[in-house]
Amino acid sequence: EPEVTQTPSHQVTQMGQEVILRCVPISNHLYFYWYRQILGQKVEFLVSFYNNEISEKSEIFDDQFSVERPDGSNFTLKIRSTKLEDSAMYFCASSEFEQVKGDYGYTFGSGTRLTVV
Amino acid sequence: QQPVQSPQAVILREGEDAVINCSSSKALYSVHWYRQKHGEAPIFLMILLKGGEQKGHDKISASFNEKKQQSSLYLTASQLSYSGTYFCGTEYVRNQGGKLIFGQGTELSVKP
Repeated sequence: EPEVTQTPSHQVTQMGQEVILRCVPISNHLYFYWYRQILGQKVEFLVSFYNNEISEKSEIFDDQFSVERPDGSNFTLKIRSTKLEDSAMYFCASSEFEQVKGDYGYTFGSGTRLTVV
Repeated sequence: QQPVQSPQAVILREGEDAVINCSSSKALYSVHWYRQKHGEAPIFLMILLKGGEQKGHDKISASFNEKKQQSSLYLTASQLSYSGTYFCGTEYVRNQGGKLIFGQGTELSVKP
């Protein structure tokens, strides 16, 4: 079963530091996403990415955040200057796009738990 | 715009049935259902694309009532492995690369 791989699984960083979260989506998927989940809460959309550009982003995804697909396989989320409230589990996901009826659900990675201290 | 799930939590004995609802105040294009076990990634269960569609595999099925802007997830003869938090994710338009908006989740506990 193909899977989405995320590294690292845990990251602790000091407030104000930059972090890069890495993801390897499923190779034949076209759409890539970052979501986050604060402990015990719902999964929140951050950004979607298609054809090497951002297709949609949420209000959470401000200038401190950026995404990149540097080499055709990795998909990264950078947070430039972390704040305490950025502490959360960050999930990468990927999906195919099916114009005909089909199951094009997201495949989520196992997440990176980011703790900002 | 966040869909509302009900109930927030449910406790079942093995073999019992449950229904989880996902309601939207806005017209829906599709509804996804995911299950998340504690500390793990959400796992895709199924997607419903149009009103009146029903889907299912094993003893988990779902329906989508376009008129009511609501989807329901049915778990029959529940097993211990069904425990987890169930999220619905909604699309309001089919937008390439568009986002899913998730409900707040329904925590399901199946006891022996």
